[in-house]
This record gives sequence, structure tokens and C-alpha cells, in this order.
Amino acid sequence: TQLLEQSPQFLSIQEGENLTVYCNSSSVFSSLQWYRQEPGEGPVLLVTVVTGGEVKKLKRLTFQFGDARKDSSLHITAAQTGDTGLYLCAGAGGTSYGKLTFGQGTILTVHP
Amino acid sequence: NAGVTQTPKFQVLKTGQSMTLQCAQDMNHEYMSWYRQDPGMGLRLIHYSVGAGITDQGEVPNGYNVSRSTTEDFPLRLLSAAPSQTSVYFCASKMTSGGGNTGELFFGEGSRLTVL
Repeated sequence: TQLLEQSPQFLSIQEGENLTVYCNSSSVFSSLQWYRQEPGEGPVLLVTVVTGGEVKKLKRLTFQFGDARKDSSLHITAAQTGDTGLYLCAGAGGTSYGKLTFGQGTILTVHP
Repeated sequence: NAGVTQTPKFQVLKTGQSMTLQCAQDMNHEYMSWYRQDPGMGLRLIHYSVGAGITDQGEVPNGYNVSRSTTEDFPLRLLSAAPSQTSVYFCASKMTSGGGNTGELFFGEGSRLTVL
């Protein structure tokens, strides 16, 4: 069973601060995705990374896939109250169907 | 666009009762799956299907049954509900052709189940 460990589990910061969320595993993933979930809704895809060492930027969000494809990070610059939510990383194994294993999630609260 | 539709949104059961959570998608996705979400445990895969007539177990399949008679529908059955099955259940689907490992998983809004 492939496991993904996310840290921290909770993050409470002030608007304007920077933060990083980590997603680590002892297993190699063929791709890794980050999702964001708001209360009462299902998760929504933010980004997919597939190549070791890959960095993707989405406005103030920067995603990195580790060189060995075992870990990933999400960095948010100058957090806003609208960034509040649950952030989930999810790794896909080697099958062609891409069954996803999710981390435990990071609950981010950005205070005004 | 309807996307992935789950019903019911809320349900309260007594221990030992059975019920079916319905899931339907209108995107012609081959892959469909059921997850349960519990505090501090992320999303755990219950069952998944890669096409009509094909299902397989995920991480936590015990106590749940699924079937896939059409591309659109993927119901989840609880045979004899237990308090440990109190959770929020999400149905999700995606395309598998042309990049199953990188495709976006589309989620329903969730079904909150309480077993007393």
C-alpha cells in the first residue's frame, strides 16, 4: 500500500504570510496531484505534476515534485483569506487507470 | 453541467440497516470510484471501477458493495450499517484514456452518513 504523509495537519496564519505544505512518501508515484476542498463540497484539482523536479506555478501557488518522485510541496506566497480550505495531495501509481492515494490533508486558515 | 451527482446528501441510519448511495456522472468517464473522508485521515478509497461490468476493491472495502451496470452509474451499498461507517462519502470519476495517471478526478458534493 502506498502512503502519503502530509504536514502540517493544521496551519493558521495571518493574511500576507507565506506558507509551505509538504507531502512525503517512501513510494515512487508516476504523478502527483494537489486538490483544494471547501466545506460542504468535493475536492477540486489545482495541479498535476508528472516529472521529477518539476515546478509549476499557479498565480501565488508554487508546486514542486521531488526529483525521485516520492515527495511534493505546495508553497503559497502572500496568503489571502480566500486561500482558506483543506489542501490534499494525491499520488497515482503505475497502473494505467491512475488509482489515487490521498494524504491526510492540511487545513489552512488565513486570518484577515 | 451536472458533472457528478450524489444522492442523498444526508442520511441517518440505525445499526444493521442497509442503504444505497447513488452516484451518476454525465461526462462519459470510464473510471468511477468511492471514497470516504474522516477527520485526520484524508480520503480513503473504498471501491473503484474502470468500466461497465468491472469493479475492484480499494483500501477499505469491507462492509460495502458496488456494481457498475452502466457507464453513468456507480451505486455504493451498505449491507448492514455499523457506527464505524459514519463518514462523508464522495463519488469521483475521470477519463482513463489518453493519460489515466494524470487525469483530473471530478468529485460529487458528498453524502454525509450517520449510523446510530
